Amino acid sequence: GAVVSQHPSRVICKSGTSVKIECRSLDFQATTMFWYRQFPKQSLMLMATSNEGSKATYEQGVEKDKFLINHASLTLSTLTVTSAHPEDSSFYICSAKWDGLNEKLFFGSGTQLSVL
Amino acid sequence: AQKITQTQPGMFVQEKEAVTLDCTYDTSDQSYGLFWYKQPSSGEMIFLIYQGSYDEQNATEGRYSLNFQKARKSANLVISASQLGDSAMYFCAMREGLENYGQNFVFGPGTRLSVLP
Repeated sequence: GAVVSQHPSRVICKSGTSVKIECRSLDFQATTMFWYRQFPKQSLMLMATSNEGSKATYEQGVEKDKFLINHASLTLSTLTVTSAHPEDSSFYICSAKWDGLNEKLFFGSGTQLSVL
Repeated sequence: AQKITQTQPGMFVQEKEAVTLDCTYDTSDQSYGLFWYKQPSSGEMIFLIYQGSYDEQNATEGRYSLNFQKARKSANLVISASQLGDSAMYFCAMREGLENYGQNFVFGPGTRLSVLP
């Protein structure tokens, strides 16, 4: 089946530093990838939709200058949390849209970000 | 307004018994898709089952089946013969619009299922 690889799985950083999270579709091309944020015991919150070759579409309330998204190829999207602060600590998860029958989403394994 | 409602924040089921996780949805689109995902404690999301709005038969995938009642806008997940490994968060999701065009996925708040030995 389709696989989405997300790296790193866990990162601890100091306040003020930037962190890059990668999301790769390993055996299919994904023109669209999604980035979500999940607080403990809560549902996924869509942050942005990443389209290959164009600017990402951000959901209301998500700072595009803080959460930089790059979708440079059909298999890779990156999320960079710039100047991270403790309130950015969260679980970030990406998904890639498989454009085949039934248009499924396949998810990465997530990244737990802890900002000290 | 909530597009996906999962009224059970937590559920318990005895091992080997069946359990139903509720999901109701709200859409004005005629064409849409309904999904269930499982999220174990590791955090990854695992696709379980899909039901299209025009599918006449309820979807089944192994021990998972989707009880689709279109008029009631309900898409309950039924897990038969529960196993300890089924303990996880379960999310109901909806994709509105036509396949290969719709990009709006909406997730429900989730139900935490605990399987008791």
